[in-house]
Amino acid sequence: QQQLQESGSGLVRPSQTLSLTCTVSGGPLSSGDYAWSWLRQPPGKALEWIGYIYLSGSYYKNPSLESRVTISIDRSKNEFSLSLTSVTAADTAVYFCARAPSGSVYYDTWGQGALVTVSS
Amino acid sequence: EIVLTQSPDFQSVTPKEKVTITCRASQSIGTHLHWYQQKPNQSPELLIKYASESMSGVPSRFSGSGSGTDFTLTINSLEAEDAAAYYCHQSSSFPFTFGQGTRLEIK
Repeated sequence: QQQLQESGSGLVRPSQTLSLTCTVSGGPLSSGDYAWSWLRQPPGKALEWIGYIYLSGSYYKNPSLESRVTISIDRSKNEFSLSLTSVTAADTAVYFCARAPSGSVYYDTWGQGALVTVSS
Repeated sequence: EIVLTQSPDFQSVTPKEKVTITCRASQSIGTHLHWYQQKPNQSPELLIKYASESMSGVPSRFSGSGSGTDFTLTINSLEAEDAAAYYCHQSSSFPFTFGQGTRLEIK
């Protein structure tokens, strides 16, 4: 059974770039057809979908964040990554990586979440 | 963007009570509606997919129903461990969206 684990910077300065990596263990990324996804949850608030990427490299992003978001995937390292540029305090959130069966997009496996605080 | 509105936002309930949480979509989404449970400081857990399909390992007291714009998550005979926030999520169209959440407190 695959497990996901987020890692990256916990504190980011305003206007800088947030970078997170999701490492997949318990099987290769290529073991199934999945949409490897990023979501976030500001403190005390609801979940927000950021986007996802397939092993092929094709991706889909939330239009509200699209100009600032890059999602990439590295099969050799069994990981996928999120980059969010020009961050502000509004980007402070717990960031989750998650897995969704391709064509279905319900999230059946989640990472534990990584708190990222944007502050000077 | 499809807006999902849950009700209630908060409910305080006693064990063994029956709980109903509703999720209304701003436009028809068929049955592309999923329910998650999130306990404090944990990641969400998928309970129900496609409105009514229970996930393996989820207690039978959890059930889902609905289609189109109106959906329901029902918890029969609530247990103390069900204290959590519950979210609905639509995957009918981009961008995927979530409801604002319903927090259940156990008295």
